[in-house]
Amino acid sequence: EADIYQTPRYLVIGTGKKITLECSQTMGHDKMYWYQQDPGMELHLIHYSYGVNSTEKGDLSSESTVSRIRTEHFPLTLESARPSHTSQYLCASSTGGGSYGYTFGSGTRLTVV
Amino acid sequence: AQKITQTQPGMFVQEKEAVTLDCTYDTSDPSYGLFWYKQPSSGEMIFLIYQGSYDQQNATEGRYSLNFQKARKSANLVISASQLGDSAMYFCAMREDYNDYKLSFGAGTTVTVRA
Repeated sequence: EADIYQTPRYLVIGTGKKITLECSQTMGHDKMYWYQQDPGMELHLIHYSYGVNSTEKGDLSSESTVSRIRTEHFPLTLESARPSHTSQYLCASSTGGGSYGYTFGSGTRLTVV
Repeated sequence: AQKITQTQPGMFVQEKEAVTLDCTYDTSDPSYGLFWYKQPSSGEMIFLIYQGSYDQQNATEGRYSLNFQKARKSANLVISASQLGDSAMYFCAMREDYNDYKLSFGAGTTVTVRA
């Protein structure tokens, strides 16, 4: 049973559309993350948050934006989708240090046509 | 600079045999954690095993073991008795505790198990 949920699972959308990828977790984790992954490639951190009203940019520059108004919810928005945004987006949450790793959602596979 | 290096893009292994996936890392942080994740073709990330920088013993989880050589900054994953369901992409990752607990990933190794 998943404790972190991402919707939609797949999304095909036209260029110029605004999209929001949803991510919610039920574990009460303070830390949440968005990763971008092209097929067969490594994951790149694009955004993270340490709690409500806290958001930071990750190591890979992204045109997307995020918000964290509630602990459990960390949506990612693209104001104007472009074909270069085609990728898989993975959301994760964590308690921080220790052996408890990151819990990942199932991902959203975005295709911009 | 690359923090996690996985030098094997793809590997083939015979069913029931063991396979070792290489991972080296680079950090000056004294407190860090090393993870291995499995990613099947469906795309989800499945946590396999964890090794903390202060752990004295190598981690084991069922058929997975982590060969941790701290001085060499190496954290190789060993999968014993490979099964067809082990065919997937495997990622080594590092969490640096003094770097905002961010998790950095290697490029991954694709493992294909042959019957």
